[in-house]
Amino acid sequence: DAGVIQSPRHEVTEMGQEVTLRCKPISGHNSLFWYRQTMMRGLELLIYFNNNVPIDDSGMPEDRFSAKMPNASFSTLKIQPSEPRDSAVYFCASSFRLENTDTQYFGPGTRLTVL
Amino acid sequence: AQTVTQSQPEMSVQEAETVTLSCTYDTSESDYYLFWYKQPPSRQMILVIRQEAYKQQNATENRFSVNFQKAAKSFSLKISDSQLGDAAMYFCAYRSVGFQKLVFGTGTRLLVSP
Repeated sequence: DAGVIQSPRHEVTEMGQEVTLRCKPISGHNSLFWYRQTMMRGLELLIYFNNNVPIDDSGMPEDRFSAKMPNASFSTLKIQPSEPRDSAVYFCASSFRLENTDTQYFGPGTRLTVL
Repeated sequence: AQTVTQSQPEMSVQEAETVTLSCTYDTSESDYYLFWYKQPPSRQMILVIRQEAYKQQNATENRFSVNFQKAAKSFSLKISDSQLGDAAMYFCAYRSVGFQKLVFGTGTRLLVSP
């Protein structure tokens, strides 16, 4: 299995620009998660989907952030407009929700730098 | 809300020795899951081991084992026969049974010397 795939691995952009992060979950998994890792706040959940439906987006920092999952094999996290405080590593993870025994497998992350 | 505490920012061990990383958590729930993830310099988050709270037996995965003390809300990770490749950040995480969100600790950096 290829594992969770994220692109790009690194993104450098200027303040005010739109940023789109992409994720392909493990085939067969039906839950997808977006996490953000910063030195100040550690690892925190932004949003997660079950069967392509957003379940909890309470971790999304503000309206500048949006996430979509148009099908079972693809998700995007968009920041518009981006700000320097959005600089972080963004992880996508997926799991197979079989009752309550799912384990989350993480992608390699996207390191975002907003100048 | 659940919280996870890792009180050791950094630990050191020599190759072939054993090291234990500490984790405590706070919850009012009786059933839940606990995890240890490893994050090497490549920053990939790798699952090391998991424990279901309803299981009394401590989980083991090769050189990795846990000491799960439910009453004390403690979940330590023991790494035996440490190898240079074990050097990484280690994160303890909690997940409720009915809620899929992972709550992470702040991490422990493990240094392994030859």
